[in-house]
Amino acid sequence: DGGITQSPKYLFRKEGQNVTLSCEQNLNHDAMYWYRQDPGQGLRLIYYSQIVNDFQKGDIAEGYSVSREKKESFPLTVTSAQKNPTAFYLCASSDRLRLRYEQYFGPGTRLTVT
Amino acid sequence: QKEVEQNSGPLSVPEGAIASLNCTYSDRGSQSFFWYRQYSGKSPELIMSIYSNGDKEDGRFTAQLNKASQYVSLLIRDSQPSDSATYLCAVSSSNTGKLIFGQGTTLQVKP
Repeated sequence: DGGITQSPKYLFRKEGQNVTLSCEQNLNHDAMYWYRQDPGQGLRLIYYSQIVNDFQKGDIAEGYSVSREKKESFPLTVTSAQKNPTAFYLCASSDRLRLRYEQYFGPGTRLTVT
Repeated sequence: QKEVEQNSGPLSVPEGAIASLNCTYSDRGSQSFFWYRQYSGKSPELIMSIYSNGDKEDGRFTAQLNKASQYVSLLIRDSQPSDSATYLCAVSSSNTGKLIFGQGTTLQVKP
């Protein structure tokens, strides 16, 4: 059964701690994306990766870091430098060549930092 | 700054009516257009893709694209209470596959 998984579903952290959000896909998609959604807002792009071992900053990359060591995995680290980390984090993937940039989303991780 | 604009709503329609959702975009080079449905507390689900001018129908959904006027719309026929959700318009204009999202329109279908 193909899809995108994100874990955990809910995450609670204290201010000053780094936290890593997991994103795995078994769709054989080349490209993967991380978005952030705040209440009543659209999605804002944090980082994206089109191939393994390569990634680019999106519109709001400050305070975040990523890695892409495997095609299936694209973890996001929210560092203590991110000023307002509490948000709904969404991972997406796409087969750029075959699906013309249609992106499919995982279920999301809701992060709360206090 | 490339932008995608939607009326945030809420758009309220009675059950069985046609719901019309609109989206405008600023980048004339945009090539791919998408509509996502997002239920409260859930992740977005892709419901329609459209790439060329005109209409594209899929069941009760019709996407309409007019590149000259830079707008894309989504029509939902025979609206059901289960269609109540936020609808996000997304536009891609580069070879990176990056999507720019509008803020979404909240649709309420009243029984």
